[in-house]
Amino acid sequence: QSVLTQPPSVSAAPGQKVTISCSGSSSNIGNTYVAWYQQVPGTPPKLLIYDNTERPSGISDRFSGSKSGTLATLGITGLQTGDEADYFCGTWDISLRSLVFGGGTKLTVL
Amino acid sequence: DVQLLESGGGLVQPGGSLRLSCVASGFTFSSKVMTWVRQAPGKGLEWVSSISGSGDSTYYADSVKGRFTISRDNSKNILSVQMNSLRVDDTAVYYCARGAGYSFGPPHDWGQGTLVTVSS
Repeated sequence: QSVLTQPPSVSAAPGQKVTISCSGSSSNIGNTYVAWYQQVPGTPPKLLIYDNTERPSGISDRFSGSKSGTLATLGITGLQTGDEADYFCGTWDISLRSLVFGGGTKLTVL
Repeated sequence: DVQLLESGGGLVQPGGSLRLSCVASGFTFSSKVMTWVRQAPGKGLEWVSSISGSGDSTYYADSVKGRFTISRDNSKNILSVQMNSLRVDDTAVYYCARGAGYSFGPPHDWGQGTLVTVSS
């Protein structure tokens, strides 16, 4: 059971928009920075979003991050079949003094 | 470019030991928190341990506390984890990951991973 809660799966058609939620608590999301990762099976996670809303160099602006209270959200617009992957949120938990991840969300582009 | 190259994985019997290493390049190693994250087959990401840039501060997941020891050699840009008393449920791909800076938090760059299989 993960400290951060994500939906197991989401799906949408090509060209559409999808959001993936990541729910936590005041000891993690509520008071620290959230990162989002994309992972294609068989490859390492790739950083999409850091510090809640920032995109690393080279990451498409189709990916966006937001945070409100203890809820973080990843948004993906203009869905492409290449976006099919697992998406994980992660942050540091101040009380646990641990890095914590969500259980992951499998994105299917129909 | 940041490069993280893990090594040391393999097949080990339950109760055995293994030492993983990660050679880092492309950044100032001593200024970054470094982290080990693992992923069991078909499962999600599980944090294992993190170490400060100086090596003075270390943190461990409860599942590995007392069995694993993280360390770093800033003169050689190498991150390591000594894994003792290995269990079947330690089977996973182990990733070395680089933090954003001096503070503990979600890592930015990840290595390709090394597979550890614990089985008799």
